Parts: sequence; structure tokens; C-alpha cells
Amino acid sequence: ETGVTQTPRHLVMGMTNKKSLKCEQHLGHNAMYWYKQSAKKPLELMFVYSLEERVENNSVPSRFSPECPNSSHLFLHLHTLQPEDSALYLCASSHAGVGYTFGSGTRLTVV
Amino acid sequence: GESVGLHLPTLSVQEGDNSIINCAYSNSASDYFIWYKQESGKGPQFIIDIRSNMDKRQGQRVTVLLNKTVKHLSLQIAATQPGDSAVYFCAENINQAGTALIFGKGTTLSVSS
Repeated sequence: ETGVTQTPRHLVMGMTNKKSLKCEQHLGHNAMYWYKQSAKKPLELMFVYSLEERVENNSVPSRFSPECPNSSHLFLHLHTLQPEDSALYLCASSHAGVGYTFGSGTRLTVV
Repeated sequence: GESVGLHLPTLSVQEGDNSIINCAYSNSASDYFIWYKQESGKGPQFIIDIRSNMDKRQGQRVTVLLNKTVKHLSLQIAATQPGDSAVYFCAENINQAGTALIFGKGTTLSVSS
């Protein structure tokens, strides 16, 4: 257990479904991140929240919608996804860019 | 775009050998670097970090070397064990609030006994 917990661990969803990924950190960090990891590709940064404000959105399609209600929780809302969105979605947290810690990820399969 | 990369996608070593995994970065403003290990089915795990005001940092069986002149980072693992088999990523960051780590492609280390 790293202190960053992601649920669910696995998710299979149809292209017309709406689902949400959840991330929770108990490290007292003030920044949280979503990354996408596809097979044989580097981790791709999707969203950055610092002090609960979204700082960066790396041109991610609008079918991915993040939400950060407080410094300990981060969500990724998914709707009308495509099969190419199947990947491992990783959440991380840090304290002002230091002490980066990752969760175990949600393995998403879009059918 | 990607600003951090690793020289070799795979590295195979014998148990007990020393391993060296290399990484090149391109952002001169980066001042904080981290090595991560990722085992199958898990998220990346922190191994060791180094700031740009240092050129070497040692941990337990691991050493990170930073050469800012040529923008090169390496991870040395002493007495490599089968449990070290994983994918290793280097990552860089400009150490400011609101920025994020940028990762390279990763090197798969295979250790045979």
C-alpha cells in the first residue's frame, strides 16, 4: 500500500456507458495527477490539480472529465469512450512536486 | 512531446551482476529527477531521486548519477536479483508547484538466475 488508493482495480465498460475512476491519498499531499499508460508507451500526463485547482490539461479529449473535490480525492469521469482509450489509468500525488507517489492503477477495457 | 527517453528498451543480466540503466533528458530547466520501478500489474514505485545540484546519490543497492553537461541520468543496481526484474522509468520535473513529472519510455530489466 503506497498511500494512494485507486478503485476499481479493473473496469470493463461499453462505449455508451458512463463510469468514474476514484483516487484517494492519505499522505497530506497538495497535488494530484492522472496519467494514462498504454502498452509500450510512456506514461502520458492527463491532468494536474494543485491545491484543488486544475493547472494543466494536456489536450485530453472531453470524454475524460476530472474532478478534485478536496486535496485527498480525485475522480476521472468517463463517458462515450473509444476502444483506444483502453489502458492503465494511474493516479499520483505529491507535495508541491516532491514525493511523487503512484497508486496501483485502474485497468480499463472499453468494449 | 516527450522530453525524457531511455537508451535501451530491454536489458538482460545474470543474477549477481551490476546493472546500468541509462536515460537522456532534453529539458535544461529540469531540476529534479526520479527513477521508478514498475512491476507487472502495479503502479510505478519510487526508487531514488536526485536534484540538479547533485551529481550522485546512493541508496540501498542503487546509485543514481546525473550529468547535466550532457543531460544524462543513469541508475546503477548492484548485485542484481531476480526480484529486480521490472520496467524502469526515469522522470524529470521542474520543481514548481503545479508542474508534473514527464516520463520516458522505460527499460525492461530481465534478471536470470
